[in-house]
Amino acid sequence: DAGVTQSPTHLIKTRGQQVTLRCSPKSGHDTVSWYQQALGQGPQFIFQYYEEEERQRGNFPDRFSGHQFPNYSSELNVNALLLGDSALYLCASSWGLKGQNTEAFFGQGTRLTVV
Amino acid sequence: GQNIDQPTEMTATEGAIVQINCTYQTSGFNGLFWYQQHAGEAPTFLSYNVLDGLEEKGRFSSFLSRSKGYSYLLLKELQMKDSASYLCAVRWTTDSWGKLQFGAGTQVVVTP
Repeated sequence: DAGVTQSPTHLIKTRGQQVTLRCSPKSGHDTVSWYQQALGQGPQFIFQYYEEEERQRGNFPDRFSGHQFPNYSSELNVNALLLGDSALYLCASSWGLKGQNTEAFFGQGTRLTVV
Repeated sequence: GQNIDQPTEMTATEGAIVQINCTYQTSGFNGLFWYQQHAGEAPTFLSYNVLDGLEEKGRFSSFLSRSKGYSYLLLKELQMKDSASYLCAVRWTTDSWGKLQFGAGTQVVVTP
């Protein structure tokens, strides 16, 4: 049973560029959440997708956008990259939006470096 | 936003016990998770508490006091492989599963 998979594992981009990160949730999971983790910090919630719609959003600018596909996989897009966007981006999957007692399973993350 | 506080770093000897505390604001609380994260790896789930009391899972135990806004993770019989960051995360009543607010993490260093 594959867990949460993310691609790519590492990425280097230049300021001003755009980036797309991908996530496949754990089998049986239908909800995908994205987090940004700066070095030495805990993960910060970016947004969450369920039934192909953004359901909740953290305190991140509109440069951060996403998408969820019918097979529950998801993409995170970041436009106009800033040096401060350099971080580990984590995808977490879970089952059901509310009412289900389930922990979130995390992928290995994508390490994004903006130069 | 609501603060979640945990110590930055703790050091302990192999075979010893370490207790990692986590405090949070009680208003809107709806569950607390502990995750372990080794450097460069994904956070892995350790425990979940929503009611008061102690939950034991092998060498790891987690305690919650909702009235005090306090939790701790107890690591017993420490092993070198337990050297990692331990993340306390809270789910608030207004949020769905999968949306968590994390503390900054506690780096545990286990020495021989």
